[in-house]
Amino acid sequence: SAVISQKPSRDICQRGTSLTIQCQVDSQVTMMFWYRQQPGQSLTLIATANQGSEATYESGFVIDKFPISRPNLTFSTLTVSNMSPEDSSIYLCSVTSGNTIYFGEGSWLTVV
Amino acid sequence: SQQGEEDPQALSIQEGENATMNCSYKTSINNLQWYRQNSGRGLVHLILIRSNEREKHSGRLRVTLDTSKKSSSLLITASRAADTASYFCATDPPIMNRDDKIIFGKGTRLHILP
Repeated sequence: SAVISQKPSRDICQRGTSLTIQCQVDSQVTMMFWYRQQPGQSLTLIATANQGSEATYESGFVIDKFPISRPNLTFSTLTVSNMSPEDSSIYLCSVTSGNTIYFGEGSWLTVV
Repeated sequence: SQQGEEDPQALSIQEGENATMNCSYKTSINNLQWYRQNSGRGLVHLILIRSNEREKHSGRLRVTLDTSKKSSSLLITASRAADTASYFCATDPPIMNRDDKIIFGKGTRLHILP
């Protein structure tokens, strides 16, 4: 199993600003995943972060809007840049261990 | 891409009753997993069933998998107020590759009435 710490857990952000979300895992993992969950919706994969290489972004997500860092095997950050109200979502960090995905508690961002 | 689709979208039952949620998917899978999400929180892994398994139990949870129908069900017996949450199924494809990803369905919102 894996224990994931994610912060901030919740924040209210002004439109046009940027916020960085941190994700810390209690063990070394190759891949870390960032998801977005808009209100009442399912999870959408934003990108996969591998240590030592650039993140791989899914269709509809770009690096300029969601820059990701992966400096080591236990840590990653996701920045939501130039936020608009449409970015109000829960952002979730996850890792895989075996065939199971483990999630952090999520970062609930509200953009006003 | 593959996707799990849960139904019903929402379900309200009395405490003590059993709750059944279904998940359908489109193509062949390696595993299917069920997750619970309490409001505004992260997802908690409940149970994994492999493509060669037909039924699995964990406490009050019972999961079935019918690969011929490409469907799975999650049964929660003797429901409790604490079971109020959204439940998601997730499928992963049979071949792991660089672009492998796990796809989540839209979820079933379960509400247990006192």
